[in-house]
Order: sequence, then C-alpha cells, then structure tokens
Amino acid sequence: QVQLVQSGSELKEPGASVMVSCKASGYTFTSFAINWVRQAPGQGLEWMGWINTITGDPTYAQGFTGRFVFSLDTSVSTAYLQINSLEAGDTALYYCAKAFANYNDWFDPWGQGSLVTVSS
Amino acid sequence: EIVLTQSPATLSLSPGERATLSCRASQSVSRYLGWYQQKPGQAPRLLIYDASNRATGVPARFSGSGSGTDFTLTISSLEPEDSAVFYCQQRSNWPLTFGGGTKVEIK
Repeated sequence: QVQLVQSGSELKEPGASVMVSCKASGYTFTSFAINWVRQAPGQGLEWMGWINTITGDPTYAQGFTGRFVFSLDTSVSTAYLQINSLEAGDTALYYCAKAFANYNDWFDPWGQGSLVTVSS
Repeated sequence: EIVLTQSPATLSLSPGERATLSCRASQSVSRYLGWYQQKPGQAPRLLIYDASNRATGVPARFSGSGSGTDFTLTISSLEPEDSAVFYCQQRSNWPLTFGGGTKVEIK
C-alpha cells in the first residue's frame, strides 16, 4: 500500500541543523509531489511548501524561506526537509504528505510525523 | 492569505447523533475546500476534497457541502471511532491554509 515513513525524533540545540527524511513506497515516487506541513505542540496545521518530484524544484510558503530546504533522492524514493540555524520556535511535529490523485494541493497519505525539539 | 475559521471549537455528542462542523473562509474559495481528520497521536487523513468529494475509503456517513465562503462537514451518525480533530483546508489561493480545527468528542 502507499506509505510514507519518516525519520525519528530529534533533539537539537539552538543554532544547529536537522534533516528529516520521508521514504515513500507503494507507488511511483516521481508521479506525485511531496508537501511538508508543520504542527507546533498542541496547535493546528501549517503548510510549509512542496517539492516537484520530477524536477526537484521546491516551492516555499512565506515564513519558510531561507532556513528551510526541501530536497530529494529519487534513487531511494525519499524526500528530505533540512532546517538550518534552529530556533526554539521550530519545535514542532513535521509531516510529509503525498499529493492526492491528480491534485498537488490535497494531501494523502501523510507520513507519521517527525518531532523536532530545539532546546539547550 | 485566506483565513479559515472553524466552529465550534469543540463538539460533544453521543454515538448515533449527527455532527455538523462549520468552516468559513475570509474570501471566496469557490469549491476548493477540503476536510481532514486527525485522531490522537496520528497523522491527518483526507476525508473530503473540493467541497463534497469523499476521498478513497472514506465512509459514506461523512459528507461535505458548501461553496464560496461557507462550508459544512456532516457526520450523519457518529461512531465511537470518529473522536478526532477535524481541519478544513483551502487550495484556492497560495499559501494553502488550514482552519484551527474542531474537536469532536464522543460521550
């Protein structure tokens, strides 16, 4: 079945970098975009942007430019989210989500989420 | 940015009852609105897309309606497993935005 499996929890100090991975299976990876969504503790959902899995071109939502980097390794059907210069406000659950059917802007399924905690 | 406002914040109902959740957009999103269900400790799951289309495998008790700025998710007869937070999302304008969520509690 179609599945996205994300990397595990990370505890990082302010100023460090972190990379979250999202491995896809059960479908042709390059046929559907991958989106990234953030959920701060006890809060709602915030769309971060998406990456074109054919060209590798990323699109970032406002507020996620500069320190956030989307990338791919199509040889292993995996998308990555790197966050640089981590701040306490980056503490959140980060989800990857596959574009649903022919719609880049509906998301299904989602990965299980990767918790990133930023603390000294 | 389009702001989505969901109401009520919490809905507490008994099994078998009908649940009606509202999502209001700050400007028209045509029919480009969807609904997700997030159970505790789980990732969200797409229920409804483009206002009224059920996603793959979604039970028929879930239905969506509306257009423009006012949308409704209806659960016709609540099951115990429907306890979750429900989010609306619009894809009319970038950035894609989500509502703040409605928590459905089953008594």
